[in-house]
Amino acid sequence: DIVMTQSPLSLAVTPGEPASISCRSSQSLLLSGRHYLDWYLQKPGQSPQLLISLGSNRASGVPARFSGSGSGTDFTLKISKVEAEDVGVYYCMHAQQIPYTFGQGTKLEIK
Amino acid sequence: EVQLVESGGGLVKPGGSLRLSCAASGFTFDNAWMSWVRQIPGKGLEWVGHIVRKTDGGSTQYATPVKGRFFISRDDSKNTLYLQMNNLKTEDTAVYYCTIDRQGVWYNYNGMAVWGQGTTVTVSS
Repeated sequence: DIVMTQSPLSLAVTPGEPASISCRSSQSLLLSGRHYLDWYLQKPGQSPQLLISLGSNRASGVPARFSGSGSGTDFTLKISKVEAEDVGVYYCMHAQQIPYTFGQGTKLEIK
Repeated sequence: EVQLVESGGGLVKPGGSLRLSCAASGFTFDNAWMSWVRQIPGKGLEWVGHIVRKTDGGSTQYATPVKGRFFISRDDSKNTLYLQMNNLKTEDTAVYYCTIDRQGVWYNYNGMAVWGQGTTVTVSS
């Protein structure tokens, strides 16, 4: 199975400041020219929601302050200016092969 | 509106069985690959397995911890996805979500954008 490793596991950010989360996979996530790496946010008490698919595609309705980048085994989720509504746990997940696996999650809190 | 509604969760003893359902609406269900994902209390997310559309053979794949105990099926005439869970263990206690894995052919993957609200399964004696 591909192991997904996120860092940091928690971060506290002042509103208006940027935030960055790293996700590293134990194997390349490149398949047929696309990186099968997604980012999800689970807000408190809610179901997970898709933020970024295929490494860098922002999902419908996701604010432009969220962006994804990376290739191969190293990926990053960036929030340009954190807002209070961004609190929750962020997960990366690969769908490059079976089984899909998630990172451990990164808990974002507001200072 | 695209919607997924899970049901069937509850309290079950170790070794018992339970069947979860996921009612789909607002999209062409028979054209979708569907996944189950669970969240163990206080922990992260875990992909459970998926079923491809019948046009692609209707095959299923599972995560190692549930292989041989959990079985995913679908009834396209009812727009419903199922998760049959047998020989349940305490470590299967979780909130179970169904999601749309992708629609159409395998390379149409674009993230799992639609999730249900989840149904809670508690395995305890």
